[in-house]
Amino acid sequence: IAGITQAPTSQILAAGRRMTLRCTQDMRHNAMYWYRQDLGLGLRLIHYSNTAGTTGKGEVPDGYSVSRANTDDFPLTLASAVPSQTSVYFCASSEGGQGASPLHFGNGTRLTVT
Amino acid sequence: GQNIDQPTEMTATEGAIVQINCTYQTSGFNGLFWYQQHAGEAPTFLSYNVLDGLEEKGRFSSFLSRSKGYSYLLLKELQMKDSASYLCAVEDSNYQLIWGAGTKLIIKP
Repeated sequence: IAGITQAPTSQILAAGRRMTLRCTQDMRHNAMYWYRQDLGLGLRLIHYSNTAGTTGKGEVPDGYSVSRANTDDFPLTLASAVPSQTSVYFCASSEGGQGASPLHFGNGTRLTVT
Repeated sequence: GQNIDQPTEMTATEGAIVQINCTYQTSGFNGLFWYQQHAGEAPTFLSYNVLDGLEEKGRFSSFLSRSKGYSYLLLKELQMKDSASYLCAVEDSNYQLIWGAGTKLIIKP
């Protein structure tokens, strides 16, 4: 089934540890995004990539990094996790550039930083 | 600043009609999206409006008034499976998506 796969589904992480959230899509979409979703807040964009080889910063990029070596994969790395990074993380993709077409979301990664 | 306002929670009865409002103040406008998100799941696309007026898609309709900075999502013949959060998002002049916090819709039998 075509779509976006995120891994892991959930994770408990000690503060200070490094963690990479994985995201793979098989729809050949150009654009990919990482969002975090916190209770009472709208989705907040962390980083995005309009096409393979390029990335950009979103609304809340601090403490996170991404890479886009190819069309399909868009991993998100927390270099040194802090409790405020406890959240649900969604990876998404779209056919066009940022905001130009509907987003397709992965099932999310629920991350708890202790 | 940019802002999207939606009611936090609404309750409706199975079989009835409910209207979920969204007002926005953004730097420019390139379109408005509605997404549905069931608890513990990913958001899924419902509708897109870029011109004023009503877009109908089965039991769901979405309305836009750009001059008023206003949209609504209308759900007819409510079913229990419509219990979910409904997210409004506006695409600004830089094609950045600004998201509302979502409206949790509770359907009662």
